Amino acid sequence: GAGVSQSPSNKVTEKGKDVELRCDPISGHTALYWYRQSLGQGLEFLIYFQGNSAPDKSGLPSDRFSAERTGGSVSTLTIQRTQQEDSAVYLCASSLNGGSEETQYFGPGTRLLVL
Amino acid sequence: GESVGLHLPTLSVQEGDNSIINCAYSNSASDYFIWYKQESGKGPQFIIDIRSNMDKRQGQRVTVLLNKTVKHLSLQIAATQPGDSAVYFCAAGRGYSTLTFGKGTMLLVSP
Repeated sequence: GAGVSQSPSNKVTEKGKDVELRCDPISGHTALYWYRQSLGQGLEFLIYFQGNSAPDKSGLPSDRFSAERTGGSVSTLTIQRTQQEDSAVYLCASSLNGGSEETQYFGPGTRLLVL
Repeated sequence: GESVGLHLPTLSVQEGDNSIINCAYSNSASDYFIWYKQESGKGPQFIIDIRSNMDKRQGQRVTVLLNKTVKHLSLQIAATQPGDSAVYFCAAGRGYSTLTFGKGTMLLVSP
């Protein structure tokens, strides 16, 4: 595709419900990143996938957060038992090979609001 | 760890002026620095990066200056245009998986 796409663009959910956020990286990109951007805060790294390697989950804030990447392409970020503090914009980015200084291309984000 | 801050939350300039956005970082081990532009409702967009073995790097209408002595980073935008209006934030670290991101400065360009 032309760029990184994410769906849904907006999600409103009730506290305690589970949500799934989807990311379609740029075709051919082997590295995929998830970030969280809370209001008035900088981006917070969540998780990083590179090829078939085990993902770097060091940024996940709690065990309610998990992510998968199927077939080395599409990724799903799942938040279980959502809390109001989970409200944020969730951004996905991809890069060609995951090199430490490769340009990341960001998607438009999913705006999550937990009521 | 790393903390990254920006000196001003909002910067207002006139079209045609030069803009300077500043950023401070705390970890002297950081060796890679990036500036991003984020327009309303969109994801961040890479503008320019610089490694710690450099103190200046230029792109198209943008220049990044790095002062490792005082751990300070700046983004200069020449001949600012209304289309430059956005939030600009910096990131510092040792590669993408270790980046710490600043909160952002909103640049407002008046015609």
